[in-house]
Amino acid sequence: KAGVTQTPRYLIKTRGQQVTLSCSPISGHRSVSWYQQTPGQGLQFLFEYFSETQRNKGNFPGRFSGRQFSNSRSEMNVSTLELGDSALYLCASSPQREGAGANVLTFGAGSRLTVL
Amino acid sequence: KNQVEQSPQSLIILEGKNCTLQCNYTVSPFSNLRWYKQDTGRGPVSLTIMTFSENTKSNGRYTATLDADTKQSSLHITASQLSDSASYICVVSPRPNQAGTALIFGKGTTLSVSS
Repeated sequence: KAGVTQTPRYLIKTRGQQVTLSCSPISGHRSVSWYQQTPGQGLQFLFEYFSETQRNKGNFPGRFSGRQFSNSRSEMNVSTLELGDSALYLCASSPQREGAGANVLTFGAGSRLTVL
Repeated sequence: KNQVEQSPQSLIILEGKNCTLQCNYTVSPFSNLRWYKQDTGRGPVSLTIMTFSENTKSNGRYTATLDADTKQSSLHITASQLSDSASYICVVSPRPNQAGTALIFGKGTTLSVSS
């Protein structure tokens, strides 16, 4: 059974550019959520998608956006990159929406973004 | 403000020894509490998940306990192995049975097991 796949694994961008990260969830999982992980802040929730709709959003600026496709694959986009956006971006999938019971998340290996 | 605090921030133990990691939270009411293990360069992997009505949950050498009255949880690792070296993250899901709930993460405890 394939796990959660994130691409690319590593990327380097410069300030002002934009980036798109991709996440393929486990087959049958309809919920995809995104997280930013930095050494100082730990893991922080970005947003959750379920059935192609954003269901919940964390406290991040509008430069961070995402979407989910009909096959549950998801992308997140960060525009006008800042140095502080350098982080590990993790995607997680689950069978049901977060909050609907003891929902086990399965994380991908992450996309490490470096902004120069 | 909903928060999850973990201690210690880092810990070094000898292979074969036991250790206990702590998690205190202010989230109320909450649905469940989870412990994740994150190896360097990898995504977190679920170890245990406990609802508010459970007191303990085991997964091999990992045993998590939960005291909902004091809002404390601990993760006990028995007979540690070198492969236990990782970051351990405590995660709380607030607001039971309300879909669209954002998880609240602790900053993790970094465990190093040496031979």
